[in-house]
Amino acid sequence: DGGITQSPKYLFRKEGQNVTLSCEQNLNHDAMYWYRQDPGQGLRLIYYSQIVNDFQKGDIAEGYSVSREKKESFPLTVTSAQKNPTAFYLCASSIADSARGYGYTFGSGTRLTVV
Amino acid sequence: DQQVKQNSPSLSVQEGRISILNCDYTNSMFDYFLWYKKYPAEGPTFLISISSIKDKNEDGRFTVFLNKSAKHLSLHIVPSQPGDSAVYFCAASVGNNNDMRFGAGTRLTVKP
Repeated sequence: DGGITQSPKYLFRKEGQNVTLSCEQNLNHDAMYWYRQDPGQGLRLIYYSQIVNDFQKGDIAEGYSVSREKKESFPLTVTSAQKNPTAFYLCASSIADSARGYGYTFGSGTRLTVV
Repeated sequence: DQQVKQNSPSLSVQEGRISILNCDYTNSMFDYFLWYKKYPAEGPTFLISISSIKDKNEDGRFTVFLNKSAKHLSLHIVPSQPGDSAVYFCAASVGNNNDMRFGAGTRLTVKP
């Protein structure tokens, strides 16, 4: 079955620690994205990547870092510089320059809590 | 700056009736709009979309209407079913879909 897998589902982090969220897709999609969801707010774009070894900052990239060494993988690191990291993180993928018929395919998310 | 707004955080309707979810946007450059549906502990799934060259798109029980002059779109679900209970996100993009903006979502509850 093709899809996007995010792991872990729940993650706890101590203040001051970096943590990496995993996102893997087997849809052969070119583009991948990271969004953050907070209560009462829409999904906000953190980073996106249209091709391997290339990525761009979204609206709220500060305190986050990403890599795109393989087409299938787009891990997100939440660094200690991120002031309010507790949130629900969603990874998505799409066909780059697609006909936009179906938008993104989303993973099931990772809930990060800073303790 | 919230470019896509869903001003109703929640909506409750009776089974069999029509559900109308609304979305407003501020960026006149948006040319493609989508609705996603999200169940708890799952990622959003694509529901229906509309291009700015159209004012209506229908898919079964779901219809999206676009009013470009008012920068407003709406999703109609008729008849509503209990399985439609979920959070619905409105999204918009410019050009290709590599830079999509989402609303805050509306939680729809369909009562049996």
